[in-house]
Amino acid sequence: GEDVEQSLFLSVREGDSSVINCTYTDSSSTYLYWYKQEPGAGLQLLTYIFSNMDMKQDQRLTVLLNKKDKHLSLRIADTQTGDSAIYFCAERMRGGYQKVTFGTGTKLQVIP
Amino acid sequence: GAVVSQHPSWVICKSGTSVKIECRSLDFQATTMFWYRQFPKQSLMLMATSNEGSKATYEQGVEKDKFLINHASLTLSTLTVTSAHPEDSSFYICSARRQGLSSYNSPLHFGNGTRLTVT
Repeated sequence: GEDVEQSLFLSVREGDSSVINCTYTDSSSTYLYWYKQEPGAGLQLLTYIFSNMDMKQDQRLTVLLNKKDKHLSLRIADTQTGDSAIYFCAERMRGGYQKVTFGTGTKLQVIP
Repeated sequence: GAVVSQHPSWVICKSGTSVKIECRSLDFQATTMFWYRQFPKQSLMLMATSNEGSKATYEQGVEKDKFLINHASLTLSTLTVTSAHPEDSSFYICSARRQGLSSYNSPLHFGNGTRLTVT
């Protein structure tokens, strides 16, 4: 299957940490991505992790991957108002054109 | 690097007309580009995979005669919405992956999208 699920909405206070969760069903995925979409705009790649890794940190962003449970999370430290956006996780399939399937998206609202 | 340019950013057309959307990779070559459609407050749905020099591969349920895809060069793919109807109104986004030896671990880079409104 290719279902990728996310919670729809997350609200945090400025300065707190945000954790956005994602579950996927296809165990053959090779890479997992996090994209950010601001209103009316395209998608901006934030970070990605190879499927044989457990964790990746990039400045304020930390990605955790639990392959056994098919669970991916994105932690944003010291969340800022500019982080308010919709966040999509995505998995890249093995084989063929290696198409990418997107999650349902999580809207992050940062309260000043 | 890895810039994808999509044009136009928005278009309004009358029902029954056709609209062409361009997707260009500005600083890399892409043998494969992907076209997505996004309805309001929803996720991206893959419509088709565009392959340079060959026919596009369409996802189930996507009408290939309605959504014509042409990938004439390594930096340009076009999506033409033919005989557009109001239900075709949506946000269309293209993406491209850098080709070459590193393409295996190269992520998708997205254009800024085209908002199509059919009246």
